[in-house]
Amino acid sequence: AQSVTQLDSHVSVSEGTPVLLRCNYSSSYSPSLFWYVQHPNKGLQLLLKYTSAATLVKGINGFEAEFKKSETSFHLTKPSAHMSDAAEYFCVVSGYGNQFYFGTGTSLTVIP
Amino acid sequence: NAGVTQTPKFRVLKTGQSMTLLCAQDMNHEYMYWYRQDPGMGLRLIHYSVGEGTTAKGEVPDGYNVSRLKKQNFLLGLESAAPSQTSVYFCASGRDPSAFYEQYFGPGTRLTVT
Repeated sequence: AQSVTQLDSHVSVSEGTPVLLRCNYSSSYSPSLFWYVQHPNKGLQLLLKYTSAATLVKGINGFEAEFKKSETSFHLTKPSAHMSDAAEYFCVVSGYGNQFYFGTGTSLTVIP
Repeated sequence: NAGVTQTPKFRVLKTGQSMTLLCAQDMNHEYMYWYRQDPGMGLRLIHYSVGEGTTAKGEVPDGYNVSRLKKQNFLLGLESAAPSQTSVYFCASGRDPSAFYEQYFGPGTRLTVT
C-alpha cells in the first residue's frame, strides 16, 4: 500500500526566509515522489520529481527536495521565500500500479 | 500544444440534474484520471483509464460514470447530481506511472449542485 502524509496543513514564513514543507510517505515498493504547486483557482503544476536517479532533486523556481529512505521523507525546501510562492503544495507518491496518492496539502503563506 | 483541457470551467446544477464533463489531451498519453478536490482533503481519485476503451474505479467512484471512447478524451458523467458532488474536478493525463512518469493536469471545473 502507498500513502502520503503532509505534516503541516499551514505554513507561514516571512519573505526572504527559508521554506520547509514536510512530507512522509509509505510504500512497499521503490516509489516515485512528486511535489506539485497549486496557485489559487488554478490547476496543479509539477515542481519536481524523484525517480531514484539522485536523492537531492532540484525543481523549478528555486525549490528542491531530498529523498531520505531511512526516514521515509521527501521534504520540500527553498532558501528564500518570495511572495509569488504563496500557494497550496501537494506531495504525491506513485511507483506501483496505475494510481497516484496525494497528501492533503500544505498551504504556504508568505508575509511581506 | 494545448496540453490538458477541460470543458466547462464552471457549472451550476440543480439536485437530480445530469451533466458530462469533458477532458481532452493532445500528448498521446495512455493514462487519464478524474479527481475531485475538496477543502482539506487533497485530491481524491474518482475513476481512471489505462487506455482507450478501458476504465477503472478509484477511491470515490459512487455517483459518477466515465467513458474513454477515444484515446484523447475522457468523459465524466453525473447521472443524478447531489449537493455532496459540489467540488472542483480535475482531469489529468500521463504515461505509465510505474515507470515514474508524472501527471499533467487540466485547469479544473468548478461544479456547484444546489
